[in-house]
Amino acid sequence: QVQLQQSGPGLVKPSQTLSLTCVISGDTVSNNNDGWAWIRKPPSRGLEWLGRAFYRSKWHYDYAAHVESRIAINPDTSKNQLSLHLHSVTPDDTAIYYCAKTRALGQGIVSWGQGTLVTVSS
Amino acid sequence: DIVMTQSPLSLPVTPGEPASISCRSSQSLLQTNGNTYLDWYLQKPGQSPQLLIYLASNRASGVPDRFSGSGSGTDFTLRISRVEAEDVGLYYCMQALQSPFTFGPGTKVDIK
Repeated sequence: QVQLQQSGPGLVKPSQTLSLTCVISGDTVSNNNDGWAWIRKPPSRGLEWLGRAFYRSKWHYDYAAHVESRIAINPDTSKNQLSLHLHSVTPDDTAIYYCAKTRALGQGIVSWGQGTLVTVSS
Repeated sequence: DIVMTQSPLSLPVTPGEPASISCRSSQSLLQTNGNTYLDWYLQKPGQSPQLLIYLASNRASGVPDRFSGSGSGTDFTLRISRVEAEDVGLYYCMQALQSPFTFGPGTKVDIK
């Protein structure tokens, strides 16, 4: 049973960097079959895909266009965890952030972290 | 990016009655391997989302058989044969054909 435990600050000031960590247990971040994603739910909007990292002999990344210029998703194999860094945040980045495991071959997002509410405010 | 739309955006339901949600994609989600890359998720109040359906019509592990998915190409439907009170929440379709994956706007299901 995969478990994803998220941590990080709940309040970030505008123009600063939002950083969250997702510790993975019951699986390996560098497995060759799956991917690891960050998804968010802003207060008045639906779910938004931010991006993912996946390992297929080397690391691959893909990011949503609306955050591509200021996002980084970093896997850490030594700690078996995934981090999210979102730079130059604005109040529009206020949301519940989720890390998630995506199965290969279109089998869906099968595991989700508990979610972290991040508020961007001075 | 592939744009996903859903209808209705709000769906009041009566327990025991059927319900359905439609989802449309801006381009076909059929891949050359024959699979259609469309998922359905439910986010219950106060919880993380959960996978209901993958590859358009495959129920995820542990999902009750009152949930079913159908459709092809660009038009898809999620059906609940008999709604139960625990089915309230936000329902999302998501395309997984092309990166970045994209979600529909969500359909809020609540009890009449």
